[in-house]
Amino acid sequence: QSALAQPASVSGSPGQSVTISCTGTGSDVGRYKFVSWYQQHPGKAPKLILYDVSNRPSGVSNRFSGAKSVNTASLVISGLQPEDEADYYCSSYTTTSTLLFGTGTRVIVL
Amino acid sequence: EVQLIESGGGFIQPGRSLTLSCAASGLRVNSNYMTWVRQAPGKGLEWVSILYSEGSTYYADSVRGRFTVSRDSSKNTIYLGMSSLKVADTAIYYCARGSIEMGGTAFDIWGQGTAVTVSS
Repeated sequence: QSALAQPASVSGSPGQSVTISCTGTGSDVGRYKFVSWYQQHPGKAPKLILYDVSNRPSGVSNRFSGAKSVNTASLVISGLQPEDEADYYCSSYTTTSTLLFGTGTRVIVL
Repeated sequence: EVQLIESGGGFIQPGRSLTLSCAASGLRVNSNYMTWVRQAPGKGLEWVSILYSEGSTYYADSVRGRFTVSRDSSKNTIYLGMSSLKVADTAIYYCARGSIEMGGTAFDIWGQGTAVTVSS
């Protein structure tokens, strides 16, 4: 069970958009729609921001959007704001009925 | 208010056993998918185990055979029994609820975490 691959960090200026990729295999990301994204600020518990690839839970900003192509899911943060600076993790259900998290991406707001 | 509160963490020697608890309020643990996720110091999230509402359980390869997830419906609490602990098990352990409305594998409610340190 190898973690899903994410870039270590991405950066952007306020108002810009950034994209975070999440690459898995045909046994996880490529197989199911059950891809979620989490935001984690330092010292805090993770917060769910997207589920089923592109659905936002109630209360989550529409600046967060998601998509998937073959074995890679992506999270787009548009209109970057200072409070978006955090760590982001993807997760996926797998063919062995387990879950995998991504390696995590630090978003830096310049 | 829906809340999950973990407890039971602490400092423990390698090879020993420890049980973590996660007390729920505002939701019923036997009607939800409950999961454990851990985060080693300075590292990313690692999924540990899940207990489905019908009772089935699944584990990450790194803990299978050593960890056991269970629940006590009367106490509305889930547990993570950890045995043969290793230094690599040092982490903050979070319990979370998998929302059935969101497919069950999206964790929308999290506890504050409990820290486990395994060291000699």
